[in-house]
Amino acid sequence: QVQLQESGPGLVKPSGTLSLTCTVSGASINNDYWWSWVRQAPGKGLEWIGEIYHSGGTNYNPSFKNRVTMTVDMSTNQFSLKLTSVTAADTAVYYCARVREYGPQKYCSDYWGEGTLVVVSS
Amino acid sequence: QSVLTQPPSVSGAPGQRVTISCSGSASNIGADYDVNWYQSLPGKAPKLVMYGNSHRPSGVPDRFSGSRSGTSASLAITGLQAEDVADYYCQSYDRGLTAWVFGGGTKLTVL
Repeated sequence: QVQLQESGPGLVKPSGTLSLTCTVSGASINNDYWWSWVRQAPGKGLEWIGEIYHSGGTNYNPSFKNRVTMTVDMSTNQFSLKLTSVTAADTAVYYCARVREYGPQKYCSDYWGEGTLVVVSS
Repeated sequence: QSVLTQPPSVSGAPGQRVTISCSGSASNIGADYDVNWYQSLPGKAPKLVMYGNSHRPSGVPDRFSGSRSGTSASLAITGLQAEDVADYYCQSYDRGLTAWVFGGGTKLTVL
């Protein structure tokens, strides 16, 4: 059974850096999947942040401009998210998910973590 | 304002059929990008209930079905059950934004 678990500080100060880690169990992060981050602000819908491949290749949502960095650590079967210069607008539940290719250039997120709430406040 | 438009809420009596619509544009659904659907409950991991417009993952009841036409997609649930109560989100890719995009979510209530 594939499981993903987000972890990291639940409170970040404005202008600081949000850092989260997703631990994957039941599957190797080295397999042929992308690994993504999605967030949900209070009362809002889901927002895709970006995704990373085990080789280190990334795709980021342009709306996050140069604030986002994702990394992967195959030795610990984890991948991480860093979001810099955070503001109150970055307060959200952050989810990590596995992205599966079910057809040529066709993808879906088949396993998700339960999410972790990050509040940006002084 | 989400790129994909969903009704905020839908409801139905037990045993009835409901549909949730997802309206996009020529840069996402209309550009032949597939639609996926997710079921979300507070404090729980979102669950994939439909991928590739009309494909059900293993374990999802056949009461769930999906379709796509033009710039829109829909998720239908027949034989409505109390366990179906959740928020449902559609997802597709937008070539103009070069990003995966979601609908704003639809809250399903079983009366």
